[in-house]
Amino acid sequence: KAGVTQTPRYLIKTRGQQVTLSCSPISGHRSVSWYQQTPGQGLQFLFEYFSETQRNKGNFPGRFSGRQFSNSRSEMNVSTLELGDSALYLCASSLQGLGNQPQHFGDGTRLSIL
Amino acid sequence: DAKTTQPTSMDCAEGRAANLPCNHSTISGNEYVYWYRQIHSQGPQYIIHGLKNNETNEMASLIITEDRKSSTLILPHATLRDTAVYYCIVRVASWEYGNKLVFGAGTILRVKS
Repeated sequence: KAGVTQTPRYLIKTRGQQVTLSCSPISGHRSVSWYQQTPGQGLQFLFEYFSETQRNKGNFPGRFSGRQFSNSRSEMNVSTLELGDSALYLCASSLQGLGNQPQHFGDGTRLSIL
Repeated sequence: DAKTTQPTSMDCAEGRAANLPCNHSTISGNEYVYWYRQIHSQGPQYIIHGLKNNETNEMASLIITEDRKSSTLILPHATLRDTAVYYCIVRVASWEYGNKLVFGAGTILRVKS
């Protein structure tokens, strides 16, 4: 069974640009979550989507947004990029997002802002 | 903030059991204990989870104390490939809360030959 796939693996952007990251969940998984990992702040929850609806949101500015498609694939978008947005962005999927259902992570997209 | 406390780092000899402790003294009745690990440059890998009872799978065992205020992850025969950051996470099991995981700093486990 294929795991969570994130594309691209690496991305370089400049300040002020916008970026879109993609996540394909494990087949049959309907919940997709996004996390940001930086050396200073560690792993932080961005948001979660289930059945094309945002179910939960972390404490990030509105420049960070996401969406989920009917096939459960998800994208996240960051607009007006800042240097501090340089991070590893991780996507995780689970069956329905219930407490006893583990999330499985992809290997992330490493975003560098110049 | 994370609801768990873990040691910053631990060392373990290759082939020996690695016992990673986690304190979660404010855990509620509907919260699960999850363990993940992260090897450099990879995404976190799910290891095991439990609610009240001890659990075992092909990777590890999870021992939860009777009062549920602490737990121990056991890797029975550690190898060099088990060197990673190990995260203990308490996760609310409500539909509204969804899939949010709150990560702490974790424990750096170094397996040495």
